Amino acid sequence: DTEVTQTPKHLVMGMTNKKSLKCEQHMGHRAMYWYKQKAKKPPELMFVYSYEKLSINESVPSRFSPECPNSSLLNLHLHALQPEDSALYLCASSQDPASAVGSGANVLTFGAGSRLTVL
Amino acid sequence: AQSVTQLDSHVSVSEGTPVLLRCNYSSSYSPSLFWYVQHPNKGLQLLLKYTSAATLVKGINGFEAEFKKSETSFHLTKPSAHMSDAAEYFCVVILLLNYGGSQGNLIFGKGTKLSVKP
Repeated sequence: DTEVTQTPKHLVMGMTNKKSLKCEQHMGHRAMYWYKQKAKKPPELMFVYSYEKLSINESVPSRFSPECPNSSLLNLHLHALQPEDSALYLCASSQDPASAVGSGANVLTFGAGSRLTVL
Repeated sequence: AQSVTQLDSHVSVSEGTPVLLRCNYSSSYSPSLFWYVQHPNKGLQLLLKYTSAATLVKGINGFEAEFKKSETSFHLTKPSAHMSDAAEYFCVVILLLNYGGSQGNLIFGKGTKLSVKP
């Protein structure tokens, strides 16, 4: 299995709703990532989990709450979002982010994304 | 500090003609560079990677890129464009920490939209 699977593919929610995005990989990768991508822009890093520990939080508002229950799963819990949070949310994984650069072990594999619309 | 600059926001070619998407990088260390492709409403797919082995890197779907240290460039090429190549292309470098290691996070260029005319 060489895929990163994201669910749901599309999500519409109101500003008072609580929802979650899910991401799963079975490649044995030890790092998982959440990126946010607005239309016609490159992805922006939100969170990095390395060996199931949060290693990077790019000053993301607390209405986004990541969770890594185990090495294969990554969730993004959403609460009290704003319309400007509407975007494509991409999950990614890599084999070992701490390995030597150049080894190829920190190449990211991306999922197809979850398209979020906040009304 | 590391950065990548994609020199063209939009490139338009005719089907069957060569493709050239330009990327320049800046890095204090020997960089790890990638090209990713994103088709409309899809995730990102790795096209190819440079990790300090061969300077000419071959990727999927007939794409290749050449790492030129003297020019700090990593341009993406394909001899003959196909309609299915129409997509957004991102040049990417791994963000390196002070000691040359990495936490795995990426720095993206702004992207180049490739259009292919019949």
